[in-house]
Amino acid sequence: DAEITQSPRHKITETGRQVTLACHQTWNHNNMFWYRQDLGHGLRLIHYSYGVHDTNKGEVSDGYSVSRSNTEDLPLTLESAASSQTSVYFCASSESAREGQDTQYFGPGTRLTVL
Amino acid sequence: ILNVEQSPQSLHVQEGDSTNFTCSFPSSNFYALHWYRWETAKSPEALFVMTLNGDEKKKGRISATLNTKEGYSYLYIKGSQPEDSATYLCDYNQGGKLIFGQGTELSVKP
Repeated sequence: DAEITQSPRHKITETGRQVTLACHQTWNHNNMFWYRQDLGHGLRLIHYSYGVHDTNKGEVSDGYSVSRSNTEDLPLTLESAASSQTSVYFCASSESAREGQDTQYFGPGTRLTVL
Repeated sequence: ILNVEQSPQSLHVQEGDSTNFTCSFPSSNFYALHWYRWETAKSPEALFVMTLNGDEKKKGRISATLNTKEGYSYLYIKGSQPEDSATYLCDYNQGGKLIFGQGTELSVKP
């Protein structure tokens, strides 16, 4: 069965370290998204991609980067982790249905703690 | 700034009660709205995609309606069961920009 996975599921790191969170989907979806979930803010979009070599900034992109070298993967990198980036991170993917109508499929989430 | 508002923030009902909650959004340049069900320690799962004014969707005891002119969607649960306990999230797409509401947390007591 097709799925979307994230790794690691839990990560503790120190301020200033570079961290990469992996997202892998086997749906063959063109669209992939990274969100963070924080109390009082719901889900906020960090970066997204509509296809290989395409990346776009979302609402809260500062301090994060992504790259899309193939259809299946969209790794999220924190160049220099900060305590404000302690959060739960969700990856999602969707196919390119008629504009705006594509339903997103979410990964299980990664809980990141920056000490 | 685009705002998607969900109300109430939380809801506590007894098993068997019917309930409903609201997702409000700006009514201009509407593309689509999704409802998701999000259980604790899991990831959001899609319930419905709503695209046309007047849309009504149903899945078992859960249904949703859409009014794009006035900018709201209702989610209804008939005869709530403890397994319906979750956060119900809406996501609004306006011209390609995706915005999530903060969710309505539903707790159903047996």
